[in-house]
Amino acid sequence: QKEVEQNSGPLSVPEGAIASLNCTYSDRGSQSFFWYRQYSGKSPELIMFIYSNGDKEDGRFTAQLNKASQYVSLLIRDSQPSDSATYLCAVVNRGSTLGRLYFGRGTQLTVWP
Amino acid sequence: DTGVSQNPRHKITKRGQNVTFRCDPISEHNRLYWYRQTLGQGPEFLTYFQNEAQLEKSRLLSDRFSAERPKGSFSTLEIQRTEQGDSAMYLCASSSRDAVYEQYFGPGTRLTVT
Repeated sequence: QKEVEQNSGPLSVPEGAIASLNCTYSDRGSQSFFWYRQYSGKSPELIMFIYSNGDKEDGRFTAQLNKASQYVSLLIRDSQPSDSATYLCAVVNRGSTLGRLYFGRGTQLTVWP
Repeated sequence: DTGVSQNPRHKITKRGQNVTFRCDPISEHNRLYWYRQTLGQGPEFLTYFQNEAQLEKSRLLSDRFSAERPKGSFSTLEIQRTEQGDSAMYLCASSSRDAVYEQYFGPGTRLTVT
């Protein structure tokens, strides 16, 4: 079982809609959770991180964490064509003091005008 | 504050040759990470430095791979006797002592082994 699972998509939403991206992880003791955006041919860009259960909002982005169910999600409100990218979920496992990130395969999002 | 930089951005080499990549982290970031990413996959951890000390190496890092960070600033990743399976994007990331887990990536070096 992979450490971090994501639906590879593609996920396609119209401009202005809410895009919902999901991620599950296997280590129940995981402590830190990250969302990266990666445009085609580019490197990952950190867009959100969340450490506690609940929601965290930053502009059009909301990260949601449910440790009991071992999932983390990213909501993108008012989606724009410029949001079209692959979204990578990453996790730091229990006991890691070194910050090693485990990544999912990413979900490809397309926002059509 | 400049971001993480990596050189070269692209490298094409013949199988069996040695290659070396360089990473310059964000100023004052004491932690530096190397990851490898192949098409359709997320980045996979290779190794990690805190200052000049290499503290963790992945099983992915065979004995053909070596990484250094001699003065706790820039880092190099060398691959000896390259194989076609080494073709990938090699990513460097750094983080600060105040935000250990928040890693910022450089643009990557795309390696093609022919």
